[in-house]
Amino acid sequence: GESVGLHLPTLSVQEGDNSIINCAYSNSASDYFIWYKQESGKGPQFIIDIRSNMDKRQGQRVTVLLNKTVKHLSLQIAATQPGDSAVYFCAETLSGGGADGLTFGKGTHLIIQP
Amino acid sequence: DAGITQSPRHKVTETGTPVTLRCHQTENHRYMYWYRQDPGHGLRLIHYSYGVKDTDKGEVSDGYSVSRSKTEDFLLTLESATSSQTSVYFCAISELSGKAFFGQGTRLTVV
Repeated sequence: GESVGLHLPTLSVQEGDNSIINCAYSNSASDYFIWYKQESGKGPQFIIDIRSNMDKRQGQRVTVLLNKTVKHLSLQIAATQPGDSAVYFCAETLSGGGADGLTFGKGTHLIIQP
Repeated sequence: DAGITQSPRHKVTETGTPVTLRCHQTENHRYMYWYRQDPGHGLRLIHYSYGVKDTDKGEVSDGYSVSRSKTEDFLLTLESATSSQTSVYFCAISELSGKAFFGQGTRLTVV
């Protein structure tokens, strides 16, 4: 697969532990945020999204927190499993819709230790 | 994979040659995008389309052109490939909500 993880921040957690991946976004006008998971050799896979009128959203084993005051986004993964090992990207958009595309962060490599 | 097919999946080409990458969707989504992914840069937007024959430039559009003659197809062309265009290229689709879905990628190597 592609070595997209080169020089990325790395987070190593024990299987079964919770993990928190952080992202700082740059544009205070951004109003829609998405977390993606990318496994080696594959395209980014949608995990969860949140709009700027919310500060928390929960999915299955995942929670996204948004702090607009400090322009910070986090992804919490509960009870991590080996299949959670991947590179995680946050993405933001200004338009609140699909028109202008997404701006991506650099990514974090999550490693799950057995 | 949200009904997105990229072709080819891998290509090696020589500097100066034209190259066209294809993205085909079966979801009838209005918006389509081409991104490139490079180590240390994440994903960067090259071009996007908001409808048939309606396209616009993204962050890194120099050296690339696109065409969308049908809703389902979005083509990315490198008019004269350079080594700096060696990358992994991803196509994405979305509706107005902004939630984008990605294809499996095309690894392009320019030698």
